[in-house]
Amino acid sequence: QQKVQQSPESLIVPEGGMASLNCTSSDRNVDYFWWYRQHSGKSPKMLMSIFSNGEKEEGRFTVHLNKASLHTSLHIRDSQPSDSALYLCAASRTGGYKVVFGSGTRLLVSP
Amino acid sequence: NAGVIQTPRHKVTGKGQEATLWCEPISGHSAVFWYRQTIVQGLEFLTYFRNQAPIDDSGMPKERFSAQMPNQSHSTLKIQSTQPQDSAVYLCASSFSGTGEQYFGPGTRLTVL
Repeated sequence: QQKVQQSPESLIVPEGGMASLNCTSSDRNVDYFWWYRQHSGKSPKMLMSIFSNGEKEEGRFTVHLNKASLHTSLHIRDSQPSDSALYLCAASRTGGYKVVFGSGTRLLVSP
Repeated sequence: NAGVIQTPRHKVTGKGQEATLWCEPISGHSAVFWYRQTIVQGLEFLTYFRNQAPIDDSGMPKERFSAQMPNQSHSTLKIQSTQPQDSAVYLCASSFSGTGEQYFGPGTRLTVL
């Protein structure tokens, strides 16, 4: 049974600071990683995806992927209070397998 | 595009009663997923359809839970003999393909008294 482990469970960063979130899959055949963000009382919404080794940047958000170690990380620079949310990492493999979600990292950005 | 539609948004049942939750995926999406979310357990996968066919129901509690997708425009999750531990937010998501970005509905909050 594939597992997706996220760390830390919770994180507090000051406004303007850098938040770093980690995610590792136990499935050596995983091909795709996503990061979803879920604000309190809302549904998860896809933030970024990464399928190839390396780095991808979109505004204040950067994701890294190391396929050899099955590890991805999400970095948020210049964190804002509006970034406070639950961040979910998800992984899947090709072939129509289900997407497996981690338990999430709860980020609080303190003003 | 209205997004994924889930009804009802809130449902309260008594212990032992039946609950049916509805999901209308985004038009053109071939995959539909059902999840359950609680503070304690987090986001739990329940079941997954692609092109209306059941693909994976490994997360479904076997005895009281069932899901169907009779046509491409809606799916239902039925819980028989609801128990207090079934209280959760039930989320439906759809994607263009089974491995693509998932779009989540607003969820149905089920409370079993």
